[in-house]
Amino acid sequence: GAGVSQSPRYKVAKRGQDVALRCDPISGHVSLFWYQQALGQGPEFLTYFQNEAQLDKSGLPSDRFFAERPEGSVSTLKIQRTQQEDSAVYLCASSSNQGFAEAFFGQGTRLTVV
Amino acid sequence: RKEVEQDPGPFNVPEGATVAFNCTYSNSASQSFFWYRQDCRKEPKLLMSVYSSGNEDGRFTAQLNRASQYISLLIRDSKLSDSATYLCVVNAGSNYQLIWGAGTKLIIKP
Repeated sequence: GAGVSQSPRYKVAKRGQDVALRCDPISGHVSLFWYQQALGQGPEFLTYFQNEAQLDKSGLPSDRFFAERPEGSVSTLKIQRTQQEDSAVYLCASSSNQGFAEAFFGQGTRLTVV
Repeated sequence: RKEVEQDPGPFNVPEGATVAFNCTYSNSASQSFFWYRQDCRKEPKLLMSVYSSGNEDGRFTAQLNRASQYISLLIRDSKLSDSATYLCVVNAGSNYQLIWGAGTKLIIKP
């Protein structure tokens, strides 16, 4: 596709449920980022991939969060045993550079944990 | 003190006016600066990068003041479509680790 695609757009999960959020970056983009954005806040860095290598996962809030990009294209962010504080918009961005410059965002997945 | 701080606003501005807002950052080693625009319930979109010498893109002017550690965004001849939240972004020492401000909300009124 022409842009970064994320699915699902909306997800409601019961507390304790596992969820998987998908990101299809722009074809050929080397760098892929996951961000978490709470209401009224700026995006918070979660993790960064360069091709299939996860170079930085320092922003993942807990070991319940796991991200992968096995073939260097599509990425999945998995959250195990969801908690109410996980409710946020999860944004994926990709860039053709080795870094964030000129990165494009997907529309995000709005996760609500009830 | 937050690493990147912005006045949350909202700035209520009449159409056609000029508006400016600043963003302060705490890491003096920061090298990359950006302004992003985010519409309600949409993803952030790059508005402009901020260069040391300052830069202009149509009605938008961005400036960097390293001594005082802030960047600014000036919008001239504001349009209704400029209504959005403007996010300041500063790198945290690497080319991918970025710190985002919470944004300044701008409302342009007819």
